[in-house]
Amino acid sequence: EVQLVESGGGLVKPGGSLRLSCAASGFTFRRYNMNWVRQAPGKGLEWVSSISSSGSHIYYADSVKGRCTISRDNAYNSLYLEMTSLRAEDTAVYYCARDYCSGGTCYRLFDNWGQGTLVTVSS
Amino acid sequence: QLVLTQSPSASASLGASIRLTCTLSSGHSNYAIAWHQQQPDKGPRYLMKLNTDGSHTKGDGIPDRFSGSNSGAERYLTISSLQSEDEADYYCQTWGTSGVIFGGGTKLTVL
Repeated sequence: EVQLVESGGGLVKPGGSLRLSCAASGFTFRRYNMNWVRQAPGKGLEWVSSISSSGSHIYYADSVKGRCTISRDNAYNSLYLEMTSLRAEDTAVYYCARDYCSGGTCYRLFDNWGQGTLVTVSS
Repeated sequence: QLVLTQSPSASASLGASIRLTCTLSSGHSNYAIAWHQQQPDKGPRYLMKLNTDGSHTKGDGIPDRFSGSNSGAERYLTISSLQSEDEADYYCQTWGTSGVIFGGGTKLTVL
């Protein structure tokens, strides 16, 4: 069974930093592109960042570019999101999600999600 | 610019069927999408990948009551024999040159 378990959320002051983690199990992590998606309270889903299976290709939403760094450790089946210069508008539940892959082709569509970790930016 | 448009809300009676719509912006009618369900206070759940030819690949454990189809730039999610646990937010998703795109979501109420 595919499992994605996020951790690292919490309360942080504006301007502060936080590192989120996502522990993956139940599949060959190193073969899949991975993603972070967030959801502000009462709002819809917002894509944050993506990283290719090897880590060689990385993409960010404009809203976090320059403030967030996505990374992964395939030896430890883990995905990370380092967030700096946090703002109130970064307050959200952060989900990690796996790309859909079939027949050797991967699509930037998400076929498994974690349960999320809450980040609250407030003084 | 690639945009996915969904109606904010929809409702139908217990046991009825409903079709939710996700519309691709002009010039983007050949994009595949995914549908996701988010029940209250839960994380999103992948329902299906909906291809441009109307075929779809559902996630593990997704009931046969859920199906997908296309018409031009419109992508549909049909839920038949509505049950109370189908009351949820439904999001469509695709990707483009600017990154991954989500629709605004449709809140489905089961009456």
